[in-house]
Amino acid sequence: QKEVEQNSGPLSVPEGAIASLNCTYSDRVSQSFFWYRQYSGKSPELIMSIYSNGDKEDGRFTAQLNKASQYVSLLIRDSQPSDSATYLCAVTSAYSGAGSYQLTFGKGTKLSVIP
Amino acid sequence: EPEVTQTPSHQVTQMGQEVILRCVPISNHLYFYWYRQILGQKVEFLVSFYNNEISEKSEIFDDQFSVERPDGSNFTLKIRSTKLEDSAMYFCASRRTQSTDTQYFGPGTRLTVL
Repeated sequence: QKEVEQNSGPLSVPEGAIASLNCTYSDRVSQSFFWYRQYSGKSPELIMSIYSNGDKEDGRFTAQLNKASQYVSLLIRDSQPSDSATYLCAVTSAYSGAGSYQLTFGKGTKLSVIP
Repeated sequence: EPEVTQTPSHQVTQMGQEVILRCVPISNHLYFYWYRQILGQKVEFLVSFYNNEISEKSEIFDDQFSVERPDGSNFTLKIRSTKLEDSAMYFCASRRTQSTDTQYFGPGTRLTVL
């Protein structure tokens, strides 16, 4: 059973601070790693993807991957109230039927940025 | 920017009725997916579809579910005899070709089974 675990939160940070979101996964052959943002009642929206160990930066967002520890994180710098949402960690497996590469999601971490 | 569309946005049905949820994936995408999210729970994979056939399905996707691509644009999910526990948000997603390509999600259909 492939599992993706996240601290459900809520995580509250003041405006302008760094928010740190963490995720662990159980399947050692997980291949691709994604962070999606989901506002209440809306669909998931891709924030970052990462495929190799290390850091990947995109604007205020930095994703970090450590395959040995089966750990992926997302840092949000200069957090804004508009960043308040649930952040979903998702992974795909290297072994996937007919190239399906479906996403396995965690339950998500709810982030609140306090003005 | 191209996007995945879904209709209807909200569907209310009686238990035991059949429902069809519709999706129009992004036009040059080749892989199509259905996911569902029960209120307060995580997004769960139902089924993936490629080259006019199911490529993978989860344990949730039992005989009461079916998918179809009836023409060159629509992708449908049919639930034959709805149960109360089928109440959820159903998301369609599509991906272009490579395994690392992003899956883009539609806005979802909220299904309420009474």
